[in-house]
Amino acid sequence: KNEVEQSPQNLTAQEGEFITINCSYSVGISALHWLQQHPGGGIVSLFMLSSGKKKHGRLIATINIQEKHSSLHITASHPRDSAVYICAVNGSGNTGKLIFGQGTTLQVKP
Amino acid sequence: EAQVTQNPRYLITVTGKKLTVTCSQNMNHEYMSWYRQDPGLGLRQIYYSMNVEVTDKGDVPEGYKVSRKEKRNFPLILESPSPNQTSLYFCASSPRRGSYEQYFGPGTRLTVT
Repeated sequence: KNEVEQSPQNLTAQEGEFITINCSYSVGISALHWLQQHPGGGIVSLFMLSSGKKKHGRLIATINIQEKHSSLHITASHPRDSAVYICAVNGSGNTGKLIFGQGTTLQVKP
Repeated sequence: EAQVTQNPRYLITVTGKKLTVTCSQNMNHEYMSWYRQDPGLGLRQIYYSMNVEVTDKGDVPEGYKVSRKEKRNFPLILESPSPNQTSLYFCASSPRRGSYEQYFGPGTRLTVT
């Protein structure tokens, strides 16, 4: 079993829909990252969380440390949101290691 | 402009021919890391460096070497590339290790024949 699991693996939505991508992890962490990888291949960091909730535009990320679970929400989805969304965790102890989930491929249709 | 650069962006080479992929950042970040991305396996960490002259293995270090002689540069060296090292490679940096946002380079697509 992977230490970081994402669901779903693939997601197709209609423009305007509310989208949720989930990330569960089985290790102690110091932080959790949500990354976005566009079809061109570049990776950008969306959020870094160690507790609670963060919001940036139409994107919201939450984390529940007790349940070892995080969600990424996209409100009013748009075709330009089509990308691979990747969850990654820093292990506890403030190490330099980063463990990645397998990614969720999102397609938003107009 | 704050950025992480990688060179080359694309490389086709043959088995056994030593190569170096360079990575440079202009943000004075302490932490740098190399990852490879493969279909079905996702991103995996190769090596990371928490500061100059400090490097450590990630999950898949076999067949790779790194060095961190200066803060801004973190080259990835493949002494004797093999076809199973065909992959998309990303370099990233962050202000410090641990709970900080990572900045990724544009990626290097390597094919070893």
